[in-house]
Amino acid sequence: GAVVSQHPSRVICKSGTSVKIECRSLDFQATTMFWYRQFPKQSLMLMATSNEGSKATYEQGVEKDKFLINHASLTLSTLTVTSAHPEDSSFYICSASFPSGNEQFFGPGTRLTVL
Amino acid sequence: AQSVAQPEDQVNVAEGNPLTVKCTYSVSGNPYLFWYVQYPNRGLQFLLKYITGDNLVKGSYGFEAEFNKSQTSFHLKKPSALVSDSALYFCAVRDEGTGGGNKLTFGTGTQLKVEL
Repeated sequence: GAVVSQHPSRVICKSGTSVKIECRSLDFQATTMFWYRQFPKQSLMLMATSNEGSKATYEQGVEKDKFLINHASLTLSTLTVTSAHPEDSSFYICSASFPSGNEQFFGPGTRLTVL
Repeated sequence: AQSVAQPEDQVNVAEGNPLTVKCTYSVSGNPYLFWYVQYPNRGLQFLLKYITGDNLVKGSYGFEAEFNKSQTSFHLKKPSALVSDSALYFCAVRDEGTGGGNKLTFGTGTQLKVEL
């Protein structure tokens, strides 16, 4: 149980285009989902916390107009990287938690490469 | 604010020997502590957690960790390392004392290399 999926696993796009990444909790309802960014050989940096049916809470320094997060249902959150640039290339990982949970379950990650 | 320190960027150990990956934390309230493992180009896999109760926590794949409140540490250990344990290990903490919700703060990661 507690499986989280991400789609796509890998995406390459041209600079200036937008990319949408999906995060799904497959066998549980996740009231809260988290989006992280990981640069090579570095730790995970929390970008935003997404609660179902409400606006995401962004961490300091994360541009909310560039990284659009939607959490429309208890099993799906999406991250859209708008007008992507090469510096947005990174590994994006989502996680989800139960309504009363103290543990996060992580997706397999999405490798974004912006040319 | 909550923080986690993993003082070693890399740990090398011979297969069959015991391994320790260090982690110290700082929180204002009660800590919830986690260890995750990451293989290349993959997401994080949960190993174990400390919430309350026994200080020695046993987790997946033979790993265990000991919560030490006085030293604010939560070192990851395994009695006998395997080559397949080679991966990137992350310690994480969640502070229940400041209304931080279930936001995790991760350490910088420790690359474990187990050699034959």
